[in-house]
Amino acid sequence: NAGVTQTPKFRVLKTGQSMTLLCAQDMNHEYMYWYRQDPGMGLRLIHYSVGEGTTAKGEVPDGYNVSRLKKQNFLLGLESAAPSQTSVYFCASSYGSGILGETQYFGPGTRLLVL
Amino acid sequence: AQSVTQLDSQVPVFEEAPVELRCNYSSSVSVYLFWYVQYPNQGLQLLLKYLSGSTLVKSINGFEAEFNKSQTSFHLRKPSVHISDTAEYFCAVTPKGGSSYDKVIFGPGTSLSVIP
Repeated sequence: NAGVTQTPKFRVLKTGQSMTLLCAQDMNHEYMYWYRQDPGMGLRLIHYSVGEGTTAKGEVPDGYNVSRLKKQNFLLGLESAAPSQTSVYFCASSYGSGILGETQYFGPGTRLLVL
Repeated sequence: AQSVTQLDSQVPVFEEAPVELRCNYSSSVSVYLFWYVQYPNQGLQLLLKYLSGSTLVKSINGFEAEFNKSQTSFHLRKPSVHISDTAEYFCAVTPKGGSSYDKVIFGPGTSLSVIP
């Protein structure tokens, strides 16, 4: 049981390049999330999904797109990378919607540097 | 809307000394409360949470937190810290009632450094 895994672990991009971050979970969770973590700001929600084939915007969605073609995978795309997108990206998943205070399970993170 | 404040960005403490990491929140509705821990170069993992019932909740590694509704606080404490407790600690809240998967609010984090 690997939990939540993220690929790649680290990436350097030039401004304007594109890339896709992959998140996979083997816990059969319905809900998946992408966060970014910046110093002194905690985690901010980029996009989320409440099930296969669904996606929705979070707090800071601009410049990112997502897809959930399979229940176990949640992809985050950067269409045209900008230095402001330098951050650590975390994927998370949960069994429930949060109505009962369900725990979110996090991946190890992807460190992205945009030059 | 909810917000979370962690008053101390960095807390250095000597090994075997007690520690308290402070968390205050603001919300117009009742909330669930969480503490997550992030060890170096790892993702966040749940440390403990308050859903209902007893206001004192404990983790398996000696941390405890007490929900204080009147002071809207959920401070994290440990009577004797170890080197292995060195990590970033995040307080988080989510509103009760209805789906809240997109409403988990994280505080800015407190970096706990345990000094040998």
